[in-house]
Amino acid sequence: DAGVTQSPTHLIKTRGQQVTLRCSPKSGHDTVSWYQQALGQGPQFIFQYYEEEERQRGNFPDRFSGHQFPNYSSELNVNALLLGDSALYLCASSERGRVYNEQFFGPGTRLTVL
Amino acid sequence: DAKTTQPTSMDCAEGRAANLPCNHSTISGNEYVYWYRQIHSQGPQYIIHGLKNNETNEMASLIITEDRKSSTLILPHATLRDTAVYYCIVRASNFGNEKLTFGTGTRLTIIP
Repeated sequence: DAGVTQSPTHLIKTRGQQVTLRCSPKSGHDTVSWYQQALGQGPQFIFQYYEEEERQRGNFPDRFSGHQFPNYSSELNVNALLLGDSALYLCASSERGRVYNEQFFGPGTRLTVL
Repeated sequence: DAKTTQPTSMDCAEGRAANLPCNHSTISGNEYVYWYRQIHSQGPQYIIHGLKNNETNEMASLIITEDRKSSTLILPHATLRDTAVYYCIVRASNFGNEKLTFGTGTRLTIIP
């Protein structure tokens, strides 16, 4: 049973560019959440997708957008990259409908903005 | 979600029990206590969660005080592979509020 997978593993971009990160949830999971983790900090919630719609959003500008596909996989898009967007981007999946649904995290995508 | 307070770092000898404390004095009645850990360069890993009763699974035990204002995660026989950052998170169980609010956690180092 494959867990949460993310691609690519590492990515280098320059300021002003756009980036797309991808996530496939754990088998049986229908909800995907995205987190940003800056160096030395805990992960910060970006947003969550369920039934192909954004259901909850953290304190991130609208340069950060996402999408969920019918097979539950998801993309995170960041436009007009800033140096401060350099971070580890984590995807987590869960099964909606369970009262205490633990989230399973992928290994992350390390984004470096130069 | 209620705020949590954890020590910045802790050491524990290999083979001994590691006890990681967490304060959550503003916790509400419908909020669960979750523990995750993050081994270097990996995604966070779920460990355990509880509401008001003590909980145990194959990884750890969770002890929640009677007033629910604090809790302790116990790793009964710590190994070198338990070296990680441990996060205590409080989260309501209601649908529509499923985000996890991470703090800076406790960096646990297991000493050989």
